[in-house]
This record gives sequence, structure tokens and C-alpha cells, in this order.
Amino acid sequence: EIVMTQSPATLSVSPGERATLSCRASQSVSSNLAWYQQKPGQAPRLLIYGASTRATGIPARFSGSGSGTEFTLTISSLQSEDFAVYYCQQYNNWPPATFGQGTKVEIK
Amino acid sequence: EVQLVESGGGLVKPGGSLRLSCAASGFTFSSYSMNWVRQAPGKGLEWVSSISSSSSYIYYADSVKGRFTISRDNAKNSLYLQMNSLRAEDTAVYYCARDPSSSLNNWFDPWGQGTLVTVSS
Repeated sequence: EIVMTQSPATLSVSPGERATLSCRASQSVSSNLAWYQQKPGQAPRLLIYGASTRATGIPARFSGSGSGTEFTLTISSLQSEDFAVYYCQQYNNWPPATFGQGTKVEIK
Repeated sequence: EVQLVESGGGLVKPGGSLRLSCAASGFTFSSYSMNWVRQAPGKGLEWVSSISSSSSYIYYADSVKGRFTISRDNAKNSLYLQMNSLRAEDTAVYYCARDPSSSLNNWFDPWGQGTLVTVSS
């Protein structure tokens, strides 16, 4: 089973600033990586798949990069609605699909 | 609009059973693989089970294998999860989520709003 490790656990950022979230896989997952956003009391929402392709309706301020074992989600200018928990998920070595433990982006 | 609506959650005693349902609308249900993902209170996401569009391929997480059964009824646009021998550690919000295609081994989009299962005496 591939283990996904996200860092940091919590990221404190001021509105308008840039946020950089990391996700590391215990072995290569190629570009088979997705990112999700989850707000309190809501279901996860797909942001990125294929490591760098934005899902339908996702603003351009969200971008994904990386391949192999190292991945990054960047939010270029944080808006109030972006404060949430973000999860990465690999779907290269499946089953099982595995998720990172999440990064909480909070208001500084 | 693509919509997934889960139901069937509730409070059940350890060792008990529960059947979750997920009603799909807004897309051709029979053309997509489907999944169950759960989230324990205050915890992260855990994949539970997947089923291909024609039910030919079914997979389970080790943590639920032998206790949970995934199924679907394409005529009723519905996905199910039969949960038996429930344990306290099965307590979670259960989400159904669609695959982006008929094949498995993908990301999940969209997700339903979830249904809470609480296993407690």
C-alpha cells in the first residue's frame, strides 16, 4: 500500500497570500494524483487530477505540480472561501486508493 | 446536475448490520464505476470499496473485507453498501463518490453529502 504524507499539518496564511501544500508518496505514483478541498460539514470537492489538471469550475488560482513521489498544490492568492482542509489521493497503485492525512489552511 | 444522495445511516450496536444507499441522478449511472469512502469523526478520508459499471469488478479495503458488500442496481440508479458485523471503528460519515469513467482506479468526482454511521452500545 502506498502511503501519502502531507505537510505541513496546518498552514497559517493571510488572505491574499500564497499557500504551498506538499504531498509525498512512499513510492512513485507517476502523475496519478488528485487534490480535494473539504470545508467543515461538507463533502470533499475535487480540485486537481492528473497532478496538474484543474477540475471543472475550479478557479485558476489553484494549481498542481509534481510527478513521481513529490507533489505540490499552490493557491496563488488565498480568498476567504479557500480556508479549508486539503487532501491528496493517489490512484496509481490501486486498490487501495490512498489519501494523505490532510493539510488545514487557516487564517493567520 | 449530477447529484448523489446517501441514506441509511444511523446508530447501530456493535455486531449489528446496516445498509447504506446512494441515489444517483443527472448522469447515466450505468456508465460509471462507483465508490464508497468514509471519514471517521475528526479524521481523514479512507477508501472503502469500489464497483465497476457492470458490477464485474469489486474491490474492498482490507479493513472491511468479509464484512461489507458493495452492490448496485443500474435500473434504479442506485449504489448500496451492506455493512455487517459492525465495529466501533466503523463509525464514520460514509460518502458515495463517482469515478470519472466506467473504469476503476481513478479519482472521485463528485461526492454525495454523506451519511453518518455510529456504532455504539
